[in-house]
Amino acid sequence: EAQVTQNPRYLITVTGKKLTVTCSQNMNHEYMSWYRQDPGLGLRQIYYSMNVEVTDKGDVPEGYKVSRKEKRNFPLILESPSPNQTSLYFCASSSEPSPGEQFFGPGTRLTVL
Amino acid sequence: GDSVTQMEGPVTLSEEAFLTINCTYTATGYPSLFWYVQYPGEGLQLLLKATKADDKGSNKGFEATYRKETTSFHLEKGSVQVSDSAVYFCALKIRGSQGNLIFGKGTKLSVKP
Repeated sequence: EAQVTQNPRYLITVTGKKLTVTCSQNMNHEYMSWYRQDPGLGLRQIYYSMNVEVTDKGDVPEGYKVSRKEKRNFPLILESPSPNQTSLYFCASSSEPSPGEQFFGPGTRLTVL
Repeated sequence: GDSVTQMEGPVTLSEEAFLTINCTYTATGYPSLFWYVQYPGEGLQLLLKATKADDKGSNKGFEATYRKETTSFHLEKGSVQVSDSAVYFCALKIRGSQGNLIFGKGTKLSVKP
């Protein structure tokens, strides 16, 4: 089954404790992206990657890191999480280099205390 | 800059009612337009799209027509069902650019039996 998977689905952590949210797709897509969803703000892009070893900042990259060492994986790293990073996070992928149609993962709900 | 404006929600309708969710856009180039749907507890999925003026996208009984003269892409459905309860996002992508999807803030629809 073609899909985007994220882990964990739910995470409660404390300020300053490094964490990684994994994202993997099995569709051989070149393009991958991370979004955060907050009430009243909709979806905002954090980082995206056009291909292996190519990443770029989205609209709200501060406090986040990403890497793209393999085509299928695009982990999101929070080196020192803060409460304002409490949010619902989505990973997405696309076969298009500059995509309109994207396939989304199920989401990761992160709470930073 | 480029942006998408959706009607404020939440929208509450009775089953079999007619649905309209308004979406207007501002774009510096020639956009492709999309509606995404997010069912409770899930990631976003593409509902329909239109890539040029006067195109009509349709899927699952939903329709939206790309109106360049009014810069609009309103979502409609003639008879909603309880299973249509979800959050609906309008989005645009400037064709030919390296830019990414720009989302509206989302409109929550609740359909009551």
